[in-house]
Amino acid sequence: GQQLNQSPQSMFIQEGEDVSMNCTSSSIFNTWLWYKQDPGEGPVLLIALYKAGELTSNGRLTAQFGITRKDSFLNISASIPSDVGIYFCAARNYGGSQGNLIFGKGTKLSVKP
Amino acid sequence: SAVISQKPSRDICQRGTSLTIQCQVDSQVTMMFWYRQQPGQSLTLIATANQGSEATYESGFVIDKFPISRPNLTFSTLTVSNMSPEDSSIYLCSVVRQGEQYFGPGTRLTVT
Repeated sequence: GQQLNQSPQSMFIQEGEDVSMNCTSSSIFNTWLWYKQDPGEGPVLLIALYKAGELTSNGRLTAQFGITRKDSFLNISASIPSDVGIYFCAARNYGGSQGNLIFGKGTKLSVKP
Repeated sequence: SAVISQKPSRDICQRGTSLTIQCQVDSQVTMMFWYRQQPGQSLTLIATANQGSEATYESGFVIDKFPISRPNLTFSTLTVSNMSPEDSSIYLCSVVRQGEQYFGPGTRLTVT
């Protein structure tokens, strides 16, 4: 079946550093999404990407929809302690069930003040 | 975005019993889903909750184990039946609004 390979699995960084994580697949997708999950909470949508090559920002977060439609990356600039959490990429194809997002395994981010 | 609430937020249950989880959305939505997140894992779609008809289950999930109700466009329930320790997970309600998918806070279930 379709799979998303998300890396790195975890990151330990110093406050103020930039962060980069990515998601790749052997399959083509029409939508890429990035979510953040805090402990004890549900995932919160950060950025949605709908077009190959699209680059979208949300504050200190920037994400891109890969030109091949098989990958996406998320960058966080000047990290702060509240950036701690698990970041999930997710992808979907048109024509499939709207809810049938495929999720990556997550990147656990730890930030040292 | 969408305001989604779930009850209970967490529970500890004995094996063999059943638990019903409620999901309430702040306004009507057409599409409503239930996901499972096993410890340290990613999210897996259990089923699509259809208003007025039977839920649509994904491969590996069956109605007898996870019966779902969707009586109206703002509410759904998921029951985890005849629980075993392997059912210990976070169960998440999700809706689509304006083309994007939002998640509730989750129900953390521990089966002993």
